[in-house]
Amino acid sequence: EVQLLESGGGLVQPGGSLRLSCAASGFTFSSYVLTWVRQTPQRGLEWVSGITVGGAGTYYADSVKGRFTISRDSSKNTLYLQMNSLTAEDTAIYYCAKGRDDSNWFGDSWGQGALVTVFS
Amino acid sequence: EIVLTQSPATLSLSPGERATLSCRASQSVSRSLAWFQQKPGQAPRLLIYDASNRATGIPARFSGSGSGTDFTLTISSLEPEDFAVYYCQHRHNWPLTFGGGTKVEIK
Repeated sequence: EVQLLESGGGLVQPGGSLRLSCAASGFTFSSYVLTWVRQTPQRGLEWVSGITVGGAGTYYADSVKGRFTISRDSSKNTLYLQMNSLTAEDTAIYYCAKGRDDSNWFGDSWGQGALVTVFS
Repeated sequence: EIVLTQSPATLSLSPGERATLSCRASQSVSRSLAWFQQKPGQAPRLLIYDASNRATGIPARFSGSGSGTDFTLTISSLEPEDFAVYYCQHRHNWPLTFGGGTKVEIK
């Protein structure tokens, strides 16, 4: 059974940093693209970032480019999202999702979400 | 950035009725479109990928159609567990984007 478990969410002040982790199990981690998606009541679902199977290719929404960094560690079966220079606009539930294969970015399995709150 | 516009925003129907949801793209996405279902407090669930392919374990009452800029998700006969919010998403180019969602509520 595929499982994705996010951790690392919490409260942070504007300008601060957080690193989200997504521990994966139940599938061959190195064979699938992975993404981060966030959700707020105001903006709905927003794709944040994606990473290719080898990690060489990374993609970002304009709203986070230059501030967020996605990475993956196949030895730990873990996906990461390093978030710097956080603002109130980054407050959201963050989900990690497994793509359908090594090039299909649609998330066919999702984690339960990690809440990030940026407050002053 | 490709903008996905979903309509209607809310669909009020009774169990057993047919639901037809629309997703329109601001430019062609070929067939690179998916549909997701989300219930309160849960993560999104993939229903349809690449316009018309049902994901694993998705009942046959869910079907997707369309290509280019106009797509439709059809639920042939609503079951009680189908009342939820539905989102479309494309993977045609970067950035990937989602539509604003359609809420299917009980009439």
